[in-house]
Amino acid sequence: DVKVTQSSRYLVKRTGEKVFLECVQDMDHENMFWYRQDPGLGLRLIYFSYDVKMKEKGDIPEGYSVSREKKERFSLILESASTNQTSMYLCASSLLGVPGTEAFFGQGTRLTVV
Amino acid sequence: AQTVTQSQPEMSVQEAETVTLSCTYDTSESDYYLFWYKQPPSRQMILVIRQEAYKQQNATENRFSVNFQKAAKSFSLKISDSQLGDAAMYFCALEDQGAQKLVFGQGTRLTINP
Repeated sequence: DVKVTQSSRYLVKRTGEKVFLECVQDMDHENMFWYRQDPGLGLRLIYFSYDVKMKEKGDIPEGYSVSREKKERFSLILESASTNQTSMYLCASSLLGVPGTEAFFGQGTRLTVV
Repeated sequence: AQTVTQSQPEMSVQEAETVTLSCTYDTSESDYYLFWYKQPPSRQMILVIRQEAYKQQNATENRFSVNFQKAAKSFSLKISDSQLGDAAMYFCALEDQGAQKLVFGQGTRLTINP
């Protein structure tokens, strides 16, 4: 059973804290993505990576950074959490170079910044 | 820029009936893929169906089918014989083939009435 696993289902953090969201996939996928999901806005891409130590900005990278030290792990970092970063965060992975390939998603992390 | 628009925030249907979810998109690419993803309550997002733009025939997967109108840039999802397990958020998505990242619509919440 293929899996994308996010380290936390729910997180509550204080304003100004540094927050780490972890994502691990066991499918040997090259592509990994971090999306933010908000009501009425759908999913918006924060960052993506198609190889170890590679990263590309998505549509809303401000206030976020990422790390990919190993192929299976992609971390999203909120350097200084703010209340407007309260949201659902989804990690996904897919095969590189296969147009139309299915993306596999984690269960999501609901982050609340107070 | 590529965009995807879902104009129906919520839809409801009686069990065993048929429902159609709408999606329009914009892209300058000539070949691309379109997807419908399903996000059940508190569960992971999964692929429902996909369509390659070059293929004239509409994709079908059991009770799920699409109506792909390339000239109109429309990609609707039809669910036949609706079941209680179909209740979910449904997202339409367009693949940016260059980076294999997905552009999502705002989502449609589907309720199935018993």
